[in-house]
Amino acid sequence: GNSVTQMEGPVTLSEEAFLTINCTYTATGYPSLFWYVQYPGEGLQLLLKATKADDKGSNKGFEATYRKETTSFHLEKGSVQVSDSAVYFCALIGISSGSARQLTFGSGTQLTVLP
Amino acid sequence: NAGVTQTPKFQVLKTGQSMTLQCAQDMNHEYMSWYRQDPGMGLRLIHYSVGAGITDQGEVPNGYNVSRSTTEDFPLRLLSAAPSQTSVYFCASSYSGPDQPQHFGDGTRLSIL
Repeated sequence: GNSVTQMEGPVTLSEEAFLTINCTYTATGYPSLFWYVQYPGEGLQLLLKATKADDKGSNKGFEATYRKETTSFHLEKGSVQVSDSAVYFCALIGISSGSARQLTFGSGTQLTVLP
Repeated sequence: NAGVTQTPKFQVLKTGQSMTLQCAQDMNHEYMSWYRQDPGMGLRLIHYSVGAGITDQGEVPNGYNVSRSTTEDFPLRLLSAAPSQTSVYFCASSYSGPDQPQHFGDGTRLSIL
């Protein structure tokens, strides 16, 4: 079945540091890939997505590139802010039908940015 | 601009009790879903619906029922609560399917004693 593996947290960075959160996946064919973000006390929000190999999703200074050869979708940001403190989830949708064609989430990575 | 509204925000139950978690959306979305969020496990899909009158099971459906009598509402029922169902529950909706941006509610934190 489909699965998503994220780097374990928590991750603590100083403001303006470079961020990488690793995400690798297992799926049949060419899934669509997503990053969702969860701010404290809130539901998840879509951060960015990529639907085919070599696509780069970007939003709010965050980027992730769909790498088919390494089955990865790492999240990066060049200079983090305190307001980026949140839990980040990598997710995919497989190409199968029915319940298999649903969002599969990674376990989440807690990011804390210190001023 | 309500979006997805979940009630209640917090609930404590005793083992064996039943209850319904409410979810309503005002965006005329066809697709709705329920997830549970447990530490270290991300979100796992419980049930989903692609439109009024149509529901299907997700990854962890046991112990839960759903119905979709209207486009707006998608309640989740716990039939006989068990401590293993202690979790944070999220409802989400999107225009037509899981590959569209999901709009999440703020969650219901449920404790089963």
